[in-house]
Amino acid sequence: NAGVTQTPKFQVLKTGQSMTLQCAQDMNHEYMSWYRQDPGMGLRLIHYSVGAGITDQGEVPNGYNVSRSTTEDFPLRLLSAAPSQTSVYFCASGGLGFQNTEAFFGQGTRLTVV
Amino acid sequence: GIQVEQSPPDLILQEGANSTLRCNFSDSVNNLQWFHQNPWGQLINLFYIPSGTKQNGRLSATTVATERYSLLYISSSQTTDSGVYFCAAVTQGGSEKLVFGKGTKLTVNP
Repeated sequence: NAGVTQTPKFQVLKTGQSMTLQCAQDMNHEYMSWYRQDPGMGLRLIHYSVGAGITDQGEVPNGYNVSRSTTEDFPLRLLSAAPSQTSVYFCASGGLGFQNTEAFFGQGTRLTVV
Repeated sequence: GIQVEQSPPDLILQEGANSTLRCNFSDSVNNLQWFHQNPWGQLINLFYIPSGTKQNGRLSATTVATERYSLLYISSSQTTDSGVYFCAAVTQGGSEKLVFGKGTKLTVNP
């Protein structure tokens, strides 16, 4: 029972490079989301999706793109990495209020941009 | 949007002590969860508790939705309980975002 699978665990990028963080879930949740965690800031919502083909911005969307072609997958793309994007990133599945589902998180990706 | 506030921000205990963590939220909620972030950074689900009381071993949680707060009780604390405890909430009526508090950092000393 995999739950939420997030890869990679660690990544170092140079400023200006691009990369994709992968997230996959096997719980058939419609709702998926991406958060970043910075010291003293808690977890902040980057982007979310309420189903395949539907995405929306969260609290801190700048510098990130998402797409949702299938229910299972919700990748997060950094188009041109900046040092301000150094953070720990978490993907979540579930947690949408009106569906009354519990949210589950991936193991996190620690990203450093130099 | 909803505001989620946790207290205390930091808590230091001796092994075996009991503790209560509090989460206040500013609006009615459909979803209220407690998580434990362990020292390795993993977010572990503790409780999904929009209302009522639940217990799981030494941990229990109570959400009083009408008064907009939730409490997490840890009894007979162990060093493995150390980490950061987060509550997170989704408001009723249209919001589709799980909003986190800033967490309570718990340190349990042997």
